[in-house]
Amino acid sequence: KQEVTQIPAALSVPEGENLVLNCSFTDSAIYNLQWFRQDPGKGLTSLLLIQSSQREQTSGRLNASLDKSSGRSTLYIAASQPGDSATYLCALGPNYGQNFVFGPGTRLSVLP
Amino acid sequence: NAGVTQTPKFRILKIGQSMTLQCAQDMNHNYMYWYRQDPGMGLKLIYYSVGAGITDKGEVPNGYNVSRSTTEDFPLRLELAAPSQTSVYFCASRTDRHTEAFFGQGTRLTVV
Repeated sequence: KQEVTQIPAALSVPEGENLVLNCSFTDSAIYNLQWFRQDPGKGLTSLLLIQSSQREQTSGRLNASLDKSSGRSTLYIAASQPGDSATYLCALGPNYGQNFVFGPGTRLSVLP
Repeated sequence: NAGVTQTPKFRILKIGQSMTLQCAQDMNHNYMYWYRQDPGMGLKLIYYSVGAGITDKGEVPNGYNVSRSTTEDFPLRLELAAPSQTSVYFCASRTDRHTEAFFGQGTRLTVV
């Protein structure tokens, strides 16, 4: 069974810092990985989707990498802003099913 | 462009009552999902569908039913509501397992 962990569970940084959020998984048999953000009381907003054949994806200040062999993905946020404050979740698409397996999330606070 | 639309946004039910949570998408996506999110527990899959007329159980299907008569709609039926069904419910859709998933804004349900 696929297990997904996200470390740290919570992170607080001053505005302007570059930061890295981690997502680890136990089974490398995945076909893609998607990063989401969730604002309090809101739905999930898709940030980046990485296919299993890709190493990274970039969108604006966000860069996500995928290393299947080590069971890791990282989300890099450059020049963080207070508006980046949210919970960030990674979700894996396993080879054997149609569903996502979600990590528990990292709650990010960017302080002005 | 509406994306994934969920109704209602909030609902209070009494124990034993029934209700239907509505989910509609206008992106012609084949795959649709229902998740519940409980505090500190992450997202759990209730049911999913890979196309009209095809549904399957997820991780926590007990107490729920679904149908998929059209590509656009994927309603979730709660029969005999119980306090354990107090949660936030999210609907999601995507074209297929290789593509980006989009989420609705959620329905916050309280059973008293």
